Amino acid sequence: SQTIHQWPATLVQPVGSPLSLECTVEGTSNPNLYWYRQAAGRGLQLLFYSVGIGQISSEVPQNLSASRPQDRQFILSSKKLLLSDSGFYLCASNRASSYNSPLHFGNGTRLTVT
Amino acid sequence: AQKITQTQPGMFVQEKEAVTLDCTYDTSDPSYGLFWYKQPSSGEMIFLIYQGSYDQQNATEGRYSLNFQKARKSANLVISASQLGDSAMYFCAMREFSGGGADGLTFGKGTHLIIQP
Repeated sequence: SQTIHQWPATLVQPVGSPLSLECTVEGTSNPNLYWYRQAAGRGLQLLFYSVGIGQISSEVPQNLSASRPQDRQFILSSKKLLLSDSGFYLCASNRASSYNSPLHFGNGTRLTVT
Repeated sequence: AQKITQTQPGMFVQEKEAVTLDCTYDTSDPSYGLFWYKQPSSGEMIFLIYQGSYDQQNATEGRYSLNFQKARKSANLVISASQLGDSAMYFCAMREFSGGGADGLTFGKGTHLIIQP
């Protein structure tokens, strides 16, 4: 089964600083990869998804960007963080071309922008 | 318009009782899948159960079952014999198949379930 490694677990960053969150996947090849954000006490909002190396789709225009430099690596970045970027960020993956495949999630990164 | 609606922000239930968590959805796609996830206070998202729109029978997985009423567009999660460890946030989510399935799941806002001893 798939294992999602995501780090760091917690992060406190000042406004205007850069951000890089990394996610790697084990146990599958050519997965679909996703970045979600969860505001405190809220549901999950899809930020980006990728169906292959270098292929990124953005769901919400914002201060963030994503990249997929390798098949099982997904990176979430920002050049300058805003207070509104605070939240719980979750990386997820599932098998490509499998409609009933659930998303497998990493343990998340809790980001606080101060 | 919201695609997934969970009308119960919070629920308190006595241990060993059955629990029903409500979920209604909105889609014009004839092919879709519905998923339920559990999120304990640690934050991890745990997949519980899946129901496909063309599945003839309601899905079951251990103490979890899904009360799927397609005409009413509802997919309620039923937890039998609740346990203290069931206390968590529960999310209903949907994937519409017409999009190719790659564009992730759409989640509801969740229900915070607390099991009382």
